[in-house]
Amino acid sequence: DTEVTQTPKHLVMGMTNKKSLKCEQHMGHRAMYWYKQKAKKPPELMFVYSYEKLSINESVPSRFSPECPNSSLLNLHLHALQPEDSALYLCASSQGEAGGYETQYFGPGTRLLVL
Amino acid sequence: QQQVKQSPQSLIVQKGGISIINCAYENTAFDYFPWYQQFPGKGPALLIAIRPDVSEKKEGRFTISFNKSAKQFSLHIMDSQPGDSATYFCAASSGYALNFGKGTSLLVTP
Repeated sequence: DTEVTQTPKHLVMGMTNKKSLKCEQHMGHRAMYWYKQKAKKPPELMFVYSYEKLSINESVPSRFSPECPNSSLLNLHLHALQPEDSALYLCASSQGEAGGYETQYFGPGTRLLVL
Repeated sequence: QQQVKQSPQSLIVQKGGISIINCAYENTAFDYFPWYQQFPGKGPALLIAIRPDVSEKKEGRFTISFNKSAKQFSLHIMDSQPGDSATYFCAASSGYALNFGKGTSLLVTP
């Protein structure tokens, strides 16, 4: 099973709202990722968690706050977003082996619209 | 800075034809080269991947050709089908970070 699940599938929020995106995998993977994808563009890496510790933060604004409660779950907390943050937010996971060759498996994404 | 350059941006192929998408990279530290297929409204799905110690890898109708000296790799889709119509991303990585190409929108006409 190579499934990564994400909830919700769609989210509409105002600029003053607080919301959270959730991601779950049961493949025993120890690395989890958040990506942002705009229409007709490749995914852009936001955060990487390795063994539940934040290992990469690609200079993402503080209105995005990641959290990794355990090895199977990854959250992205959203607060005071801007309309330009509207995008498809993708979660991915990989085995997390330090030797590389990290195949990343993506979830279906959450389509976020900020009004 | 785009670390992986992908071409063409869009491609139209007749059913049964061969689709070819090319990618080039500069960073010799990259050691893993996956291709992802993405349908509208869905997440990218791993299609096929190759390591630099192999020059070619074939899985069904999909083949990756890899030229380490030229720092280029390509995806060939044989006997292209309308169901292959999607966006294809090449990528290169060393460690955790995946560096994507800009994507190729493939349309296979009946």
